[in-house]
Amino acid sequence: DTEVTQTPKHLVMGMTNKKSLKCEQHMGHRAMYWYKQKAKKPPELMFVYSYEKLSINESVPSRFSPECPNSSLLNLHLHALQPEDSALYLCASSRPSGVGVQETQYFGPGTRLLVL
Amino acid sequence: AQRVTQPEKLLSVFKGAPVELKCNYSYSGSPELFWYVQYSRQRLQLLLRHISRESIKGFTADLNKGETSFHLKKPFAQEEDSAMYYCALSGSARQLTFGSGTQLTVLP
Repeated sequence: DTEVTQTPKHLVMGMTNKKSLKCEQHMGHRAMYWYKQKAKKPPELMFVYSYEKLSINESVPSRFSPECPNSSLLNLHLHALQPEDSALYLCASSRPSGVGVQETQYFGPGTRLLVL
Repeated sequence: AQRVTQPEKLLSVFKGAPVELKCNYSYSGSPELFWYVQYSRQRLQLLLRHISRESIKGFTADLNKGETSFHLKKPFAQEEDSAMYYCALSGSARQLTFGSGTQLTVLP
């Protein structure tokens, strides 16, 4: 399996809802990422997990809560979102890398989120 | 701080013409540079990275540290090259910074 999969493909939620986005890879990658991408804009890094531990949090609001239950899975828990959080949420993964070396990131197709 | 600049938001060329997508970066150390491509309705995927020094789908890119550039080039554009292209930089491990992207349209 050489792909990163994400579910659901689309999600519509109200501002009081709680939902979760899921990401899965079976390539043995030990680094996993969440990005947010607005229309016609580049991806913006949100979180990085390395060996199942959160290593980077790019000042993301607490209404986004990441979780890495094991080396193949990455979740993003959503609660009390705002309409401006509507975007495409991308997951990516990469192999472990040495210091100062960036391994290629493989992206999932994304979850398109609409917050009403 | 690391920054990537893609000055052209939109670029149109005719089929068979050469194409160059510009990318300039700002980083104090030794960067790793990448080009990612996003075809319509498809996921973001790696096109090439500077350390590989390989040609993918006829595209090449050379890292010019003096000019802090990593321009993407192809001698003869094809219609299937139409896509959004992102230049990306990694300065610290596992942290990619993307440029704003260039939408390439190859006209028949």
